[in-house]
Amino acid sequence: EVQLVESGGGLVQPGGSLRLSCAASGFTFSNYAMHWVRQAPGKGLEYVSAISSNGGTTYYANSVKGRFTISRDNSKNTLNLQMGSLRAEDMAVYYCARVGATNYFDYWGQGTLVTVSS
Amino acid sequence: EIVLTQSPATLSLSPGERATLSCRASQTVSSYLAWYQQKPGQAPRLLIYDASNRATGIPARFSGSGSGTDFTLTISDLEPEDFAVYYCQQRGNWPRTFGQGTKLEIK
Repeated sequence: EVQLVESGGGLVQPGGSLRLSCAASGFTFSNYAMHWVRQAPGKGLEYVSAISSNGGTTYYANSVKGRFTISRDNSKNTLNLQMGSLRAEDMAVYYCARVGATNYFDYWGQGTLVTVSS
Repeated sequence: EIVLTQSPATLSLSPGERATLSCRASQTVSSYLAWYQQKPGQAPRLLIYDASNRATGIPARFSGSGSGTDFTLTISDLEPEDFAVYYCQQRGNWPRTFGQGTKLEIK
């Protein structure tokens, strides 16, 4: 069974940093591109970042470019998102999602909540 | 960045009725558009990919159409479990983007 489990969310002050992780299981992690998608409370979905299967290519939304860094460790089946210079508008549930054979997000984690507040 | 505009924002219908949801792109995405369903407290679920293909396990009452800039998700004969928020998403260009969502509520 495919499983994606996010961790690392919590309360952080504006300007602070946080590292999210997503533990993958039930599939060959190194074969799949992975993304982070976020959802502010009561709002819609927002694409955040993507990484290719081998980690060689990354993409970022303009809103996080230069502040967030996506990475992966295929030996540990883990996806990461290093977030810096956090702002109130970064407060959201962060989902990791797998890009499946359809080239869309076929599996999602349950999400981890990031709260940015002083 | 491609902007996806969904309409209506809210759609009020009764079980058994037909729902028609729209997604318009600010520039062409060819057929590279998907639809997701999200229920409260849950992650989104892929329904339709590449405009008109049903994802694995999705009932036949869900169908998608369109290409270029105009897309439609149709849910025929609404079931109680279909009332949720629906999002479109494009993969025609980077960055990937989502529409703002359409809430399908029970009338």
